[in-house]
Amino acid sequence: EIVLTQSPGTLSLSPGERATLSCRASQSVSSTYLAWYQQKPGQTPRLVIHGASSRATGIPDRFSGSGSGTDFTLTISRLEPEDFAVYYCQQYGSSPLYSFGQGTKLEIK
Amino acid sequence: EVQLVESGGGLVKPGGSLRLSCTASGFAFTDAWMSWVRQAPGKGLEWVGRIKSKTHGGTTDYPAPVKGRFTISRDDSKNTLYLQMNSLKTEDTALYFCATLANWSLDYWGQGTLVTVSS
Repeated sequence: EIVLTQSPGTLSLSPGERATLSCRASQSVSSTYLAWYQQKPGQTPRLVIHGASSRATGIPDRFSGSGSGTDFTLTISRLEPEDFAVYYCQQYGSSPLYSFGQGTKLEIK
Repeated sequence: EVQLVESGGGLVKPGGSLRLSCTASGFAFTDAWMSWVRQAPGKGLEWVGRIKSKTHGGTTDYPAPVKGRFTISRDDSKNTLYLQMNSLKTEDTALYFCATLANWSLDYWGQGTLVTVSS
């Protein structure tokens, strides 16, 4: 079973700063099968990145994804007030077929 | 515009059953692979199962915690996805989302329906 571990648990930053969120897998994950989601309080999760580095429809270019193997990163280059949320990484392919990390809460400092 | 609307949630006793529905519009439901994901109160996301399009066999997959208790089905004539949940446990209490699958990720999500399992 693949376990995704996200760090840090909580990240406190100010608008305009750069955010770097990490997702580490217990086994190698194909880049094709790694995604990131944003979830604001009381809202539905929203796909941000698929295929490790491809932005989903409507996602601004300040969001970027990178990584391979067991280490993946979501970067937000200049934080906007609407970016503060919980972010989850997700993998496809190994038992269970889909699994999520525990989430990183990005909060305003 | 893609819309997914879940319904059927509610309060059920442990050991009971419930069937959730997800009505889809704004895309070719017949061709879509669909999934259910749940989120316990204050917790993270947990994948509950997947159904392929009938073109790809219409087969289903489930994670261990729900396998044998939950069944996903679809009625393409009604653009509706179902989740039949049997032998419910208190740990199944969660907000249940349906979502479309594309590029090995979940690209459109409904607003969710709340299931509470309690005596």
